[in-house]
Amino acid sequence: DADVTQTPRNRITKTGKRIMLECSQTKGHDRMYWYRQDPGLGLRLIYYSFDVKDINKGEISDGYSVSRQAQAKFSLSLESAIPNQTALYFCATSDNSQGRQPQHFGDGTRLSIL
Amino acid sequence: KNQVEQSPQSLIILEGKNCTLQCNYTVSPFSNLRWYKQDTGRGPVSLTIMTFSENTKSNGRYTATLDADTKQSSLHITASQLSDSASYICVAALRDSNYQLIWGAGTKLIIKP
Repeated sequence: DADVTQTPRNRITKTGKRIMLECSQTKGHDRMYWYRQDPGLGLRLIYYSFDVKDINKGEISDGYSVSRQAQAKFSLSLESAIPNQTALYFCATSDNSQGRQPQHFGDGTRLSIL
Repeated sequence: KNQVEQSPQSLIILEGKNCTLQCNYTVSPFSNLRWYKQDTGRGPVSLTIMTFSENTKSNGRYTATLDADTKQSSLHITASQLSDSASYICVAALRDSNYQLIWGAGTKLIIKP
């Protein structure tokens, strides 16, 4: 089984719909992240959480919200989806070492908003 | 502005050949430089992490170099294999309270038989 699991893998929905993307991990890491990837651009950080009671906005948090339900679970919501939120979304985890440990990624959710 | 630029955008080489991918970063304060490999349809996977005091680090056929003075890094792939076809992403980490990561757009590498 994958260490970082994202569901669903693919989603097509309509403008204005509420969408939740889910992420679970078995690595025992405290830190979790949500990114989006668009063609020709680097990954951009949406939200991150350093423990269950900690939620922080990233570079592009507008239009998104998150919930850290447990150490192992971190979900991303689009309250009212719009077409320019069409992208590939990744969840990642890392441990608490002084910023010198890699992030571990799930295989992404491809989201299309019509 | 903190940014990471990679070149070339894409590269096609024959199986068995070597290649070198380039990364220039403008990040301050700098903590470390990372290379990730991203297969099509998969999440990025870490290849190397180098701090400013490390000039080179290897991971199998992958060798990364770092010149902190010129703010340049390279990733050299030796004896390429078909499985090396992927995007390679350079990432610079800030030495701030959260070790924020600045991601490059990646180099798409295609290995032809």
